[in-house]
Amino acid sequence: NAGVTQTPKFQVLKTGQSMTLQCAQDMNHNSMYWYRQDPGMGLRLIYYSASEGTTDKGEVPNGYNVSRLNKREFSLRLESAAPSQTSVYFCASRRTPTGETYEQFFGPGTRLTVL
Amino acid sequence: QKEVEQDPGPLSVPEGAIVSLNCTYSNSAFQYFMWYRQYSRKGPELLMYTYSSGNKEDGRFTAQVDKSSKYISLFIRDSQPSDSATYLCAMSESGGSYIPTFGRGTSLIVHP
Repeated sequence: NAGVTQTPKFQVLKTGQSMTLQCAQDMNHNSMYWYRQDPGMGLRLIYYSASEGTTDKGEVPNGYNVSRLNKREFSLRLESAAPSQTSVYFCASRRTPTGETYEQFFGPGTRLTVL
Repeated sequence: QKEVEQDPGPLSVPEGAIVSLNCTYSNSAFQYFMWYRQYSRKGPELLMYTYSSGNKEDGRFTAQVDKSSKYISLFIRDSQPSDSATYLCAMSESGGSYIPTFGRGTSLIVHP
């Protein structure tokens, strides 16, 4: 059981380049999330997918697009990278709630630098 | 003002100390309160979870929620160097699509 996996682990881009961050979970979770974490800013939600086939904007969606490819996979795309998108990106998933549990499971993160 | 406020620290304590980590919030509709622990260069992991008010204990960890004061706490007894990490509080309303609001995290350093 790998949990939530993210690729790549590290990436350096030049301004204007594009790239896709990949995320997959093997826990049969319904909901998936993309966050960015910057020093002193905590976790900020970029986009989320409440269930397969749906996506919604979070707090900081500008400059990003997402695709919920299937129930397991949720990708984040930067069409034209900017230095302000230098950050650590975390993908998370949430299991179908039973009882009162609302735990999110996080991946190990992708460290992105945009020069 | 952010919905959830958390002092970023760092908080430095000697091994064996009792640690108190806190968050305040402004949204009275929050019902679910969580503490995540994040080691350096890792993703956050759920440490404690509480629904509504009250206390919850798990080993050396105790989570408290005071909804009247909009204040939550995490206590760590007999702190260990392995507790050195960033602790993030998170909270959400019940139902809906469940989007938690995170605090900025408090960096804790437990020195031997």
